[in-house]
Amino acid sequence: RKEVEQDPGPFNVPEGATVAFNCTYSNSASQSFFWYRQDCRKEPKLLMSVYSSGNEDGRFTAQLNRASQYISLLIRDSKLSDSATYLCVVRVLFSGGYNKLIFGAGTRLAVHP
Amino acid sequence: EAEVAQSPRYKITEKSQAVAFWCDPISGHATLYWYRQILGQGPELLVQFQDESVVDDSQLPKDRFSAERLKGVDSTLKIQPAELGDSAMYLCASRNSGSGETQYFGPGTRLLVL
Repeated sequence: RKEVEQDPGPFNVPEGATVAFNCTYSNSASQSFFWYRQDCRKEPKLLMSVYSSGNEDGRFTAQLNRASQYISLLIRDSKLSDSATYLCVVRVLFSGGYNKLIFGAGTRLAVHP
Repeated sequence: EAEVAQSPRYKITEKSQAVAFWCDPISGHATLYWYRQILGQGPELLVQFQDESVVDDSQLPKDRFSAERLKGVDSTLKIQPAELGDSAMYLCASRNSGSGETQYFGPGTRLLVL
């Protein structure tokens, strides 16, 4: 089982649509949670951190449910420029204080006119 | 805006040849990471440096891969000999240990092994 699992893509949606991505993680030592965006053939870039209380950044809303080990990302009013792969990422703490990021495989979003 | 630099951007090589990738992190960033991203998958950590010391190289195939960061600044990742399965994007990232968790990625080196 993968440590971070995401919805299989691609999601093909029209402009203006609302789309939701789900993610589950298996390691209970996961401490921090993020969504990264990756454009085709480009490097990943941080989209937003995810907090237990839920957080919003413009059209993007992220939610975290620690009990269910579940993370979500909601995009409202989709734009053509939102077309990309969205990576769910968790930071896992290991013994000795060392931590590392674990990436999901990503969900591809294609927004069409 | 400061960026992580990587070179080359693209590399085509034949199997059994040696290849090397270079990374220059954002100035002042003590932590440096090398990731491998196979098409259709998320990045996977190969090695993490704190200054010049290796913190984690548990996923680095040490029979053929090596990484160094001799002066705690720029870093080199080497593969010798390259195999067909090494074809992937190799991403370098850096983080300022004293100011949060955000890792900043370089543009990557896309490797194709023929």
